[in-house]
Amino acid sequence: DQQVKQNSPSLSVQEGRISILNCDYTNSMFDYFLWYKKYPAEGPTFLISISSIKDKNEDGRFTVFLNKSAKHLSLHIVPSQPGDSAVYFCAARDFGNEKLTFGTGTRLTIIP
Amino acid sequence: GAGVSQSPSNKVTEKGKDVELRCDPISGHTALYWYRQRLGQGLEFLIYFQGNSAPDKSGLPSDRFSAERTGESVSTLTIQRTQQEDSAVYLCASSFQGATSPLHFGNGTRLTVT
Repeated sequence: DQQVKQNSPSLSVQEGRISILNCDYTNSMFDYFLWYKKYPAEGPTFLISISSIKDKNEDGRFTVFLNKSAKHLSLHIVPSQPGDSAVYFCAARDFGNEKLTFGTGTRLTIIP
Repeated sequence: GAGVSQSPSNKVTEKGKDVELRCDPISGHTALYWYRQRLGQGLEFLIYFQGNSAPDKSGLPSDRFSAERTGESVSTLTIQRTQQEDSAVYLCASSFQGATSPLHFGNGTRLTVT
C-alpha cells in the first residue's frame, strides 16, 4: 500500500522556467512533510519541509504548498537551473512516530 | 564536519551468505535510520533508533534482517542467508532529533546478491 505517491516518474523543464513536482498521500495521520533531492550515487539531501498547520513554506527558489483537504503537496522551483536536475522524493511523517514514508521519486531534468 | 559514512560502498555476495553493513552517523545525532532502495523503487523504511529507546523495527522485511546500534554511535545492519531480492542500495541516515529534523543520508551501500 503506497501511502505517499509521486505519479510522475519524470519531468523535463526548460532552464529559467518553473518546475512543479507533485505528491499525493493517503494517510490522514501524516503531520509533517519533506522534500529530498538525490543525485546519482549519493544519498538524498534535505530540501524543504512543511508542517500540517501551514499551507505554504518558502526558501529561496523553493516553495512547498500543502493542500490538506486534497491530501496533496507540491514543490515549486523557480527559476529552474541545470543543477536542479536530480531525483526528488516527497516524504511524510506519521503523527506519533518518527519514521518517514517516502514516495517513489520524480526525476527532474532541466534543459539548458 | 564529517557526514554520515557507510561501508562498504559496494558489496557483491553469493546467495545464502551473510553480510554486515556499517553506518557511522554524524556526531551528536541521536536518531539513526536504515532505508533501502530497490531498483526503480522509492525508499523503504527498515528500522529506526532513537537514543536509548527500543528501536522501531517495523520495517524489517524478515527475520533474516537485524540491526544494532552502540549507544548513539555506529550501527550495523546484518542480513543473514542473503537472497537475490535483497539486492538494493541500503541507505543510513541520522538526524539531531527524529523525523522533523532533516535526515542526513550517507551515500549508501550497493548490495548485489548473485
